[in-house]
Amino acid sequence: QVHLVESGGGVVQAGRSLRLSCAASGFTFSNSGMHWVRQAPGKGLEWVAVISYDGSTNKFYSDSVKGRFTISRDNSKNTLYLEMNSLRPEDSALYYCVKDEGALVDGLDVWGQGTTVTVYS
Amino acid sequence: QSVLTQPPSASGTPGQRVTISCSGSSSNIGSNYVYWYQQLPGTAPKLLLYRNNQRPSGVPDRISGSKSGTAASLAISGLRSGDEADYYCAAWDESLNNVVFGGGTKLTVL
Repeated sequence: QVHLVESGGGVVQAGRSLRLSCAASGFTFSNSGMHWVRQAPGKGLEWVAVISYDGSTNKFYSDSVKGRFTISRDNSKNTLYLEMNSLRPEDSALYYCVKDEGALVDGLDVWGQGTTVTVYS
Repeated sequence: QSVLTQPPSASGTPGQRVTISCSGSSSNIGSNYVYWYQQLPGTAPKLLLYRNNQRPSGVPDRISGSKSGTAASLAISGLRSGDEADYYCAAWDESLNNVVFGGGTKLTVL
């Protein structure tokens, strides 16, 4: 059974950094593209970033985080990361780690439970 | 504003059939698969349909999807109170190199 567990969220001042992690199990992690998706309180889903199965072929970001956030993965540890720098209050959200059904982007299939990031000014 | 357009709300009575639309463009729905997600209150989204109309195991056949050109739709028949949730469509956008979501549709069972 596929299992994704996010961690690393917290309360942080604007301008500071935070690193999220996502521990994956129940599937061959090194075969799947992986995403981060966020959801601000009471709002809809916002895609953040995707990384290809190997961590090097492709990485794509939404315009709202490009240049500030970095997605990475360690296939030896079955772990996905999101390094978030220069955080802004508008980055406050529940951050989900999501598995893709393909090697990069075929479609998001399995979601974690999320970790909460709160940025105050 | 979301790249994919969904109605903000939909409703129906128990047993009825409801449909939720999702409108996009040639760079997203027009050239890629559409995925649908159900988000029950206080929970993470769950995959409801993949590749336009395929149901993951465990999703009942009263849930169906279709796609035509740059639009897609989700249909739920035999509506139940447990179907009350937010529903989102999503697709890869080749021009943006982004996954794009609809703004979500809140389904109410009257």
